[in-house]
Amino acid sequence: AQSVTQLGSHVSVSEGALVLLRCNYSSSVPPYLFWYVQYPNQGLQLLLKYTTGATLVKGINGFEAEFKKSETSFHLTKPSAHMSDAAEYFCAVSDTGGFKTIFGAGTRLFVKA
Amino acid sequence: DARVTQTPRDKVTEMGQEVTMRCQPILGHNTVFWYRQTMKQGLELLAYFRNRAPLDDSGMPKDRFSAEMPDATLATLKIQPSEPRDSAVYFCASGPDSSSTDTQYFGPGTRLTVL
Repeated sequence: AQSVTQLGSHVSVSEGALVLLRCNYSSSVPPYLFWYVQYPNQGLQLLLKYTTGATLVKGINGFEAEFKKSETSFHLTKPSAHMSDAAEYFCAVSDTGGFKTIFGAGTRLFVKA
Repeated sequence: DARVTQTPRDKVTEMGQEVTMRCQPILGHNTVFWYRQTMKQGLELLAYFRNRAPLDDSGMPKDRFSAEMPDATLATLKIQPSEPRDSAVYFCASGPDSSSTDTQYFGPGTRLTVL
């Protein structure tokens, strides 16, 4: 069975500081990994995804994530936080054989001026 | 700019009433998902469809919830009778292909409050 663990339900950073949101996964088969963002009163939207190939994935709004198989991690980073990055971020995993995507519990990012 | 639409956006009802939530997936998408989001449980998958056929509804309470796709442009989620514990935001999402690499495109959600 697959699962996703997001470390830290809340993360607070100052504007301009590094953003690091942690995600670890468990999967018995090669996983496909996703990061979604949810702004207040909106649905989730895709930030980036890893399927195959290059392990460093670049997404929208300056975010990127690196797939590390040895660490079973897919942490999300952004070099410099902006106030508009304040939102909830969800890591998700799906496997190669099914249609289900399993979402983590989410990490709420706060950005201080 | 194609989007998933959901109606109503907000619904307040009394316990015991029937609730119907509607979703219009993006034209051409053949996979539709229903999720429920609460503070306590996070994002839970209730059901999903491929080419209008239900593939998995194991996340849905069978005695009161039902999900259907009468046609390719409409998915419905019904709760009858509704209970206060059903209060949540319900999201519909659609995907362009039946693949695990699919991006899911989420609608804005229906916020349900059962009094």
